[in-house]
Amino acid sequence: EVQLVESGGGLVQPGGSLRLSCAASGFTFSSYAMHWVRQAPGKGLEYVSAISSNGGSTYYANSVKGRFTISRDNSKNTLYLQMGSLRAEDMAVYYCAREVYGGNDGAFDIWGQGTMVTVSS
Amino acid sequence: SYVLTQPPSVSVAPGKTARITCGGNNIGSKSVHWYQQKPGQAPVLVIYYDSDRPSGIPERFSGSNSGNTATLTISRVEAGDEADYYCQVWDSSSDHPGVVFGGGTKLTVL
Repeated sequence: EVQLVESGGGLVQPGGSLRLSCAASGFTFSSYAMHWVRQAPGKGLEYVSAISSNGGSTYYANSVKGRFTISRDNSKNTLYLQMGSLRAEDMAVYYCAREVYGGNDGAFDIWGQGTMVTVSS
Repeated sequence: SYVLTQPPSVSVAPGKTARITCGGNNIGSKSVHWYQQKPGQAPVLVIYYDSDRPSGIPERFSGSNSGNTATLTISRVEAGDEADYYCQVWDSSSDHPGVVFGGGTKLTVL
C-alpha cells in the first residue's frame, strides 16, 4: 500500500525547535519530489516547503524561510522538516505529500495523515 | 504573489449539481488541481490538470479552466460529498514562485 506516515509533532515553546518525519512506503521514494503543507486549526491549506527527488533542490514559503529546513534520506525512505524559532503562527497540522506528474506543475496525489504542532508556553 | 479566490461556502440539494469556482489572474494559462478534505482527514486529490480524474474518483467530479476562472463541478451530489474543497496552482510569475492554494470552499449538502 502506498502511504506516508508523519511523526514528530507535539508541544513546543515559542522559540523552540522540532523535527518532523514522514516515512514513505509502497513506492519508489527516491523518484518523487516531496512537499510539506500545513493547516492551522480551522483554517485552509498553506504551502510550506518542497524538495526535489534527489534532494538537490529545495523551496520554502516566505513565512518559514530561514527558520525551517527540509531534507530527505532516500536510503531510509524518509522526509524531514526541521523547524526552528517556532512562533504561535506555526501551530498547525503538518502534512507531507507526494508530487506526481512532475514538471513543476504537478499535483499532490498522496498525503500523510498529518502531525500536529502546538506552539505554546 | 499570486492569489486564488474561492467562495467560502456553496450549498446544494442532493441530486443537484454543485459548482465551485476558483478565481485567479489568467488562471486559464495555469494547471489547476482540486482537493477534497473531509473533517479530521487529509486532503484527497479529486481533479488534476484542470479536468483529469485520478483513479477511484467518481465520474461525477469534473473540472474546467478558462480565462480567470477554474471550476470544479460535482454532478448528482451525494451527502458524502460534503467537505471542504481547495484549488491549487503553481505560480511561476511572481518574484517568489511556488505552490498556491485557494482559501477553500465548504460544500454543504442540504
